[in-house]
Amino acid sequence: SQTIHQWPATLVQPVGSPLSLECTVEGTSNPNLYWYRQAAGRGLQLLFYSVGIGQISSEVPQNLSASRPQDRQFILSSKKLLLSDSGFYLCAWSVMTQDEQFFGPGTRLTVL
Amino acid sequence: AQTVTQSQPEMSVQEAETVTLSCTYDTSENNYYLFWYKQPPSRQMILVIRQEAYKQQNATENRFSVNFQKAAKSFSLKISDSQLGDTAMYFCAFMKHPPGTYKYIFGTGTRLKVLA
Repeated sequence: SQTIHQWPATLVQPVGSPLSLECTVEGTSNPNLYWYRQAAGRGLQLLFYSVGIGQISSEVPQNLSASRPQDRQFILSSKKLLLSDSGFYLCAWSVMTQDEQFFGPGTRLTVL
Repeated sequence: AQTVTQSQPEMSVQEAETVTLSCTYDTSENNYYLFWYKQPPSRQMILVIRQEAYKQQNATENRFSVNFQKAAKSFSLKISDSQLGDTAMYFCAFMKHPPGTYKYIFGTGTRLKVLA
């Protein structure tokens, strides 16, 4: 069966520090991968998606970047965090021929 | 561009009662998918129900059913016989068909509390 992992679960970082959040998927090949940010009262905002290794599409201009170094690994990064980067970050995957997305447990990021 | 609107930020319902969560969307597409996801306090997002726009029949999944009105661009979720475990944030989502990259557009969510 397929599983999706995210770490860390919780992170507190100072403004201006770098960020690296990792997401890995097990039990499937060549998934579509997604990073979402969930802010209070704003639902889920799609940040990045990837349809293959090294293929990243950005949905909103921001302080963040994403990379996909391996088929089932998706990384969200920042060189210098801003206060506005605080939020709950969700990774998700889907199979090309299906529409349902499967979500990870999320990372709570607090930037102080 | 597509938009999804959930006009009820919070709702409550007594256990065993029925509640309906509303969702409207805006799109010029003819073929698309609509979804309801549940996010309980654990924060794990779970698919509740999905509807394909080309299907006239409303989707049902046990106690969960939808009222899909394509012309009105409305997609409400009805929860029957509400249970305490239904307490969660509920998100409506839209996805264009053919899926391509399978990008979702989410609403802002409705926080549902089931009261004992």
